[in-house]
Amino acid sequence: QKEVEQDPGPLSVPEGAIVSLNCTYSNSAFQYFMWYRQYSRKGPELLMYTYSSGNKEDGRFTAQVDKSSKYISLFIRDSQPSDSATYLCAMSEDGGTSYGKLTFGQGTILTVHP
Amino acid sequence: DADVTQTPRNRITKTGKRIMLECSQTKGHDRMYWYRQDPGLGLRLIYYSFDVKDINKGEISDGYSVSRQAQAKFSLSLESAIPNQTALYFCATSDWTSGSRQYFGPGTRLLVL
Repeated sequence: QKEVEQDPGPLSVPEGAIVSLNCTYSNSAFQYFMWYRQYSRKGPELLMYTYSSGNKEDGRFTAQVDKSSKYISLFIRDSQPSDSATYLCAMSEDGGTSYGKLTFGQGTILTVHP
Repeated sequence: DADVTQTPRNRITKTGKRIMLECSQTKGHDRMYWYRQDPGLGLRLIYYSFDVKDINKGEISDGYSVSRQAQAKFSLSLESAIPNQTALYFCATSDWTSGSRQYFGPGTRLLVL
């Protein structure tokens, strides 16, 4: 079993829809949780960053972390065609020899059609 | 100019050849990483370096080697390329003050024939 599981999709939604992307994980030591967005033929770019449990909102994007369930989510409101990309979840421990090392999910391919 | 650059952006090589991928950064970060990306497998860590004198293996280091020539430069070598090393390769950087935030280069697309 992978340490981080992410449904690869692909996911196709109409413009304006609410999108929900999710990851589950097994390592209870993970404390940092990130979402990266990767456009075709580009490097991943950091979209959301949270520490421990809770919610974080940035414009149309909301990241949620539920450490008790080992489950994280990214919500995109009023999705736009420009949101079409691969979304990768990533996690890291806090401290110790693994500090700073990221473990990634497989990535979810999202297409928002007009 | 981009903060993290990778050269070359695309490379075709033959089985058995030695190749080097290079990464440079102007972010002033002390930590640098090399990943490979394969369809359906996400990003997997090959090697990482927390400073010039520190080199560590990641989860898939076999068949690869690295060199940290300076704080800003981190190179990945394939000593004898094989077809299953065909992949997208990404360099990333971070700083001890940035928690686990990593910043990625544009990637190198490598094809081994």
